[in-house]
Amino acid sequence: NAGVTQTPKFQVLKTGQSMTLQCAQDMNHEYMSWYRQDPGMGLRLIHYSVGAGITDQGEVPNGYNVSRSTTEDFPLRLLSAAPSQTSVYFCASSTWGEKYGYTFGSGTRLTVV
Amino acid sequence: KNEVEQSPQNLTAQEGEFITINCSYSVGISALHWLQQHPGGGIVSLFMLSSGKKKHGRLIATINIQEKHSSLHITASHPRDSAVYICAVKGYGGSQGNLIFGKGTKLSVKP
Repeated sequence: NAGVTQTPKFQVLKTGQSMTLQCAQDMNHEYMSWYRQDPGMGLRLIHYSVGAGITDQGEVPNGYNVSRSTTEDFPLRLLSAAPSQTSVYFCASSTWGEKYGYTFGSGTRLTVV
Repeated sequence: KNEVEQSPQNLTAQEGEFITINCSYSVGISALHWLQQHPGGGIVSLFMLSSGKKKHGRLIATINIQEKHSSLHITASHPRDSAVYICAVKGYGGSQGNLIFGKGTKLSVKP
């Protein structure tokens, strides 16, 4: 099993550009989520999904969109990048009962200039 | 006030020492997770607890639901244990069923 595959690992964007961070899991997990990690702060939830076709906002959703057309994929879209979105982004998945905990992707370090 | 507080923020230990990292939370929870973030940035799940105690190798995690407190212990610490340890709690259902994270404890184990 590959687990959670997150791409790209690094990205530099100019202010106003858009891009999609990819997240795919092969464990048939119902729950998938996106977090951002900023210095001095804990991980913060951006968006989450409890199954295909179902998404909801987390703590810091502004400027981001998600969709969940399949169980496996949960892309995060930055609509118009801003310097405040410079961060490290993590995707994670789990079974709904989280019996085996959460599986995290390797992270994407995004810089918006 | 943060809903999940970890202490200490930074911890330096000598190889072989017994280490304790603490986590206190202020909300009702259905589960508590301990995570490890390696210096390279990857995050792995160490434990999920809803009561009592769990052990895996040299790592022990305990939780006291009444006191809203959990501890992560590392016995016979080793330089490879150097990492950031993150406590996260999960509430009950809906948006409260998502994880709330502490800011992490940075552990450095010196040889």
